[in-house]
Amino acid sequence: DSGVTQTPKHLITATGQRVTLRCSPRSGDLSVYWYQQSLDQGLQFLIQYYNGEERAKGNILERFSAQQFPDLHSELNLSSLELGDSALYFCASSLTGDANEQFFGPGTRLTVL
Amino acid sequence: GENVEQHPSTLSVQEGDSAVIKCTYSDSASNYFPWYKQELGKRPQLIIDIRSNVGEKKDQRIAVTLNKTAKHFSLHITETQPEDSAVYFCAALLYQAGTALIFGKGTTLSVSS
Repeated sequence: DSGVTQTPKHLITATGQRVTLRCSPRSGDLSVYWYQQSLDQGLQFLIQYYNGEERAKGNILERFSAQQFPDLHSELNLSSLELGDSALYFCASSLTGDANEQFFGPGTRLTVL
Repeated sequence: GENVEQHPSTLSVQEGDSAVIKCTYSDSASNYFPWYKQELGKRPQLIIDIRSNVGEKKDQRIAVTLNKTAKHFSLHITETQPEDSAVYFCAALLYQAGTALIFGKGTTLSVSS
């Protein structure tokens, strides 16, 4: 157990819908990272937050957004869902903002029908 | 753009043999290189990492080597066991308006007894 928690574990929804994934970092960690893992794409970095502020942006679609709250938990919002958004979404956390030693949560499996 | 190339994509060995996975990266400013192990349906777990001021690091049966000049690093697993079977991901820290870990596409290691 890495200490990073994610909810929900599974999510099944329809195309066009909007969902919110939640992540709580390890106690004391200030940075949260979101990754998308699909079968053919490996782990794709989406976005990083550090102490409430956006720190780095990767291959995140405009339909996706995220935020980190004062208690340091983070939410990833996915809207206008498409079939291709079906994937495992992982959250990771690290102590500082420089991306070292990231610890991953158990992931949320999103299925878009 | 900046990326990390990982080879081979699949690797099959007999129990007790050694396994080597190689990665190359493009960002010469990268200075942190972690390796993650991901079992089926589970989270990626950090198994070893190396920083650019070190050429080699060992942890029991696992070692990582880094050649900064050639911009490549390798994971070595000795005396492989069936429980080593998993997908292994290398990553490199990328500096671009913040920092992010860029992952290779993964190597599926199968250890047969």
